[in-house]
Amino acid sequence: DIRLTQSPSSLSSSVGDRVTLTCRANQEINACLNWYQQKPGRAPKLLVYAASTLQSGVPSRFTGSGFGTDFTLTINSLQPEDFATYYCHQSCSFPPGWTFGQGTKVEMK
Amino acid sequence: VQLVESGGGLVQPGKSLRLSCKASGFTFSRYEMNWVRQAPGKGPEWLSYIAPGADPIFYADSVKGRFTISRDDAKDSVYLDMSNLRAEDTAVYFCARVTTTMVDGVIYKFDHWGQGTQVTVSS
Repeated sequence: DIRLTQSPSSLSSSVGDRVTLTCRANQEINACLNWYQQKPGRAPKLLVYAASTLQSGVPSRFTGSGFGTDFTLTINSLQPEDFATYYCHQSCSFPPGWTFGQGTKVEMK
Repeated sequence: VQLVESGGGLVQPGKSLRLSCKASGFTFSRYEMNWVRQAPGKGPEWLSYIAPGADPIFYADSVKGRFTISRDDAKDSVYLDMSNLRAEDTAVYFCARVTTTMVDGVIYKFDHWGQGTQVTVSS
């Protein structure tokens, strides 16, 4: 199974900060990595797919990068609406054995 | 695009439950659909996939043999029949549409999710 490890598990930041979240896979997954944002009581929302492509409607302050086993999601100039939990998701395998990371919670300092 | 789940609730261990997901805003019959769950404080867990035409169908090992996914394109709906429920099945259950992108191979992404329905397995 492909396992994803996110770090840190949580972080505290202020509005305007630049934040970098990391996701590491235990085997090569090329660019098969997506990022989601989830707020309490809501469904996850797709932010970035194929490691670096911004989903339509997502603000350009979100940037995804990486290939192979190491991936990052960067939020430039953190906004109040960005405080949430972020999950990475690998979709390299088919038949599906798609897996998610355990999440990084971005909290207000 | 809208996905609306229903059917969750409190159920005793060993019992069964059927979840439904009603889709609107897109041509449902053309899309691959999934069920994903999320236990309290945990990351999402993919459970099951159904292709257009209901072939193929796949399940996660954690639910294989106990859960059954199906679809009714005439009703724009996907279902999850859950049997022999266990305490560890307690979670919010989401239906999610998956779409694909070609980048060095096929990338699958969950581009739309329902709001979720709570399933609690407890005596």
